[in-house]
Amino acid sequence: DAGITQSPRYKITETGRQVTLMCHQTWSHSYMFWYRQDLGHGLRLIYYSAAADITDKGEVPDGYVVSRSKTENFPLTLESATRSQTSVYFCASLLGGTDTQYFGPGTRLTVL
Amino acid sequence: TQLLEQSPQFLSIQEGENLTVYCNSSSVFSSLQWYRQEPGEGPVLLVTVVTGGEVKKLKRLTFQFGDARKDSSLHITAAQPGDTGLYLCAGGRNTGKLIFGQGTTLQVKP
Repeated sequence: DAGITQSPRYKITETGRQVTLMCHQTWSHSYMFWYRQDLGHGLRLIYYSAAADITDKGEVPDGYVVSRSKTENFPLTLESATRSQTSVYFCASLLGGTDTQYFGPGTRLTVL
Repeated sequence: TQLLEQSPQFLSIQEGENLTVYCNSSSVFSSLQWYRQEPGEGPVLLVTVVTGGEVKKLKRLTFQFGDARKDSSLHITAAQPGDTGLYLCAGGRNTGKLIFGQGTTLQVKP
C-alpha cells in the first residue's frame, strides 16, 4: 500500500535547467495537487488537476508546467529553473466529494 | 490574500502544559481540516470538522469548529515532546481545493 509517492526526494540543479518532479498515487483519486512550502508562506498551491487531462492554475503557477495523461501520475516541470524556485514541493491527492487531501513526503529542490 | 490566519505562529512550552492554537477567517468554510507535519515529511491529516459548533477529540487533542464555520481551534492537554511539529489548518469549500493557514510551529520541551 504505497499511497502517494514523490521522486526524487532531494534535487540540486542549476539556474536555467529543466527539472521534473514526479508524483504517483495508488488510490485512483481523481484530484491531485502541487504545492510549494516556504518559510513564512505556508503551503501555496501551484497547479491542480480534477481528472486526467484536466489541469488548472493555482496561486503561484508562473514558471511551472504540469500534465496528467494518467490518473495516477501528476508530474511538475520547471521549464527553466530559477533560484526563487528553491523550495520544498508537496504533491497531494483527494477522492472527489471530500475536502481531505493526502500528502506525499515532499521533494526538496535547491536551485543554484 | 491570506484568508486563514493562524495564531500563534510559534509556541515553545514545557512538557505537561496545555495550549491552544487558533485558526480564524472572515470567510465561511464547508469544512476545516487540521494537519500535523514533522520535519522532512508531508502534512498528515489529524481531523476534519464539517458542522458549525462541532467538537472532536483525538486523545489529548480537542478540535472545535466555530458556530459560524469561520474559525477553529486546536487544544492540546498535557503536551508531550512527541507533539512537537508544525500544525496547519486548512479550509475547504467543496471545490477540492484547500486554503491553508501559515502554520503554528510547536516545540514541547521535556
